[in-house]
Amino acid sequence: DQQVKQNSPSLSVQEGRISILNCDYTNSMFDYFLWYKKYPAEGPTFLISISSIKDKNEDGRFTVFLNKSAKHLSLHIVPSQPGDSAVYFCAASDQGGGADGLTFGKGTHLIIQP
Amino acid sequence: GAGVSQSPRYKVAKRGQDVALRCDPISGHVSLFWYQQALGQGPEFLTYFQNEAQLDKSGLPSDRFFAERPEGSVSTLKIQRTQQEDSAVYLCASSQGQPNTEAFFGQGTRLTVV
Repeated sequence: DQQVKQNSPSLSVQEGRISILNCDYTNSMFDYFLWYKKYPAEGPTFLISISSIKDKNEDGRFTVFLNKSAKHLSLHIVPSQPGDSAVYFCAASDQGGGADGLTFGKGTHLIIQP
Repeated sequence: GAGVSQSPRYKVAKRGQDVALRCDPISGHVSLFWYQQALGQGPEFLTYFQNEAQLDKSGLPSDRFFAERPEGSVSTLKIQRTQQEDSAVYLCASSQGQPNTEAFFGQGTRLTVV
């Protein structure tokens, strides 16, 4: 039973437009959420995170929104750039992001078209 | 080094062979994690160390899997009598161990059991 779900295996977005990646979770104990980006043959790279006490966190072109009542979070990338093409993983933890293991979704492959 | 280092990058093992995968975490990072990523899936938690103590090994799939971190720094994941279903990328991550801090991943070791 997947506790973190990314229902879109892939997403294609035109360069310059907004990319929206979605993630749903079932465990109400999760209190810290992260997005990781992964290029082929590399390990996941941390992108942005959000604590459950917030509903929005912004870092440059990247914004993560958290809707606790819906158990849903999303990552917005605007404007999308060719270098954003990668697999994006949503991850969650119930004891803070670094203190215990993360539960990952299956990932969404984002393709930015020129 | 500046990041998490894993070796070897690639390992081909014959079924039944024992393998050992090494992880050098970021210097000073208290927490160390091992994950298994099968093709097309997100990383799945295997085990977690805080310094030299293995605090959680609930994700290890069988007693053929064993991890250690004897001096609280370098860690080794050992798989005995490898099976084909063990073929995956094994990712190591480390973090400062504080709540709400991200984990940094290595490039992973791709294990192929033939």
